[in-house]
Amino acid sequence: DIVMTQSPLSLPVTPGEPASISCRSSQSLLHSNGYKYVNWYLHKPGQSPQLLIYLASIRASGVPDRFTGSESGTDFTLKISRVEAEDVGVYYCMQPLQTPYTFGQGTKLEIK
Amino acid sequence: QVQLQQSGPGLVKPSQTLSLTCAISGDSVSSNSVAWNWIRQSPSRGLEWLGRTYYRSKWYNDYTVSVKSRITINPDTSKNQFSLQLNSVTPEDTAVYYCVRESTGSNFDYWGQGTLVTVSS
Repeated sequence: DIVMTQSPLSLPVTPGEPASISCRSSQSLLHSNGYKYVNWYLHKPGQSPQLLIYLASIRASGVPDRFTGSESGTDFTLKISRVEAEDVGVYYCMQPLQTPYTFGQGTKLEIK
Repeated sequence: QVQLQQSGPGLVKPSQTLSLTCAISGDSVSSNSVAWNWIRQSPSRGLEWLGRTYYRSKWYNDYTVSVKSRITINPDTSKNQFSLQLNSVTPEDTAVYYCVRESTGSNFDYWGQGTLVTVSS
């Protein structure tokens, strides 16, 4: 199985400040179509997880442009340019390249 | 707008079968461009993908190895829904279960509301 390793696991952030979450895959997530198959999700308390980014860098519909996904090899990054109070929750990376699909451990973002 | 509505019991006894249903609106379980997944979340395991069903001229299933001997995901075209059955459950199967649509690009774009299933006598 492909292992997804996230860091940090806890991320206290002051509102208005940037935040960055890293995710490393145990093997290449490059599909034959040229895309890297990594998604990012935010799980807010009391809600179902919501898709933020797919194919490593494509923002899902309705996601604010302060969220950006990037990649370099097997390293993937989710950046929030200016954290807002509504961004609190647990962020997960996930690989949907091959089954079994696997998730990172999650990064809990909290407001300082 | 796609909506996924989950139903099923929140309490299951050990050794019995966990059964959940996910009713689909705004899409078709028989669509040949999407897949229908079950994912669960627990404090000990985090988010865990369980399996999926999808139609590409015929029906296919994929399951994660850890539950492969106990799991069945079935489509129901007459009711436009799909189901999860997990046999011989133990307290380790206690989790919030989600049904999820997987669309083009393998993104999980629509999620059910989640069902907390507790395995306890």
